[in-house]
Amino acid sequence: GAGVSQSPSNKVTEKGKDVELRCDPISGHTALYWYRQSLGQGLEFLIYFQGNSAPDKSGLPSDRFSAERTGGSVSTLTIQRTQQEDSAVYLCASSLAGFPYGYTFGSGTRLTVV
Amino acid sequence: TQLLEQSPQFLSIQEGENLTVYCNSSSVFSSLQWYRQEPGEGPVLLVTVVTGGEVKKLKRLTFQFGDARKDSSLHITAAQTGDTGLYLCAGAPETSGSRLTFGEGTQLTVNP
Repeated sequence: GAGVSQSPSNKVTEKGKDVELRCDPISGHTALYWYRQSLGQGLEFLIYFQGNSAPDKSGLPSDRFSAERTGGSVSTLTIQRTQQEDSAVYLCASSLAGFPYGYTFGSGTRLTVV
Repeated sequence: TQLLEQSPQFLSIQEGENLTVYCNSSSVFSSLQWYRQEPGEGPVLLVTVVTGGEVKKLKRLTFQFGDARKDSSLHITAAQTGDTGLYLCAGAPETSGSRLTFGEGTQLTVNP
């Protein structure tokens, strides 16, 4: 597609439920990144994919968080047994491999755990 | 862990004023990028600087990469209300893979 697409744009879930967030990157972008952003704050790195592999998953905050990428394209971030502290905007970005290519971000998924 | 510190954290100015935002680190970066983010949207890339001492101009915005590639600045001349947003710097480390490290951001508000 023309840009990075994320769905849903908003998600309200009850504490303890599982959620899946989807990211559809720009066609041809081999690198895909997930970040988390709390209100008005900077970006917290979660995980990075190169193709279908995740060479850097050091930012996942706990084992409740997991992500996969299939076909070198769509990625899904799954949060199990959601907690209130998981509430944030989850941003996905894609880029061509290597530097100095910049990231193209989606508009994010705003997750609210009640 | 490589950290990028941005200052100021918040900046509120009148239309027509000039401003400078700073991005500092104790680490060396192979390149540094600046993004602007508006409410409800993802960050949008403004510029990439790769050479120590490099200066890039984008209309009223001037970006500078420090000689030692540890810091950067963004200067806006004659700010406009449309410049309002969260400005983020992001550095690419020299020694590891292609993951960017982002600063905490500078929230700029330009008042009419």
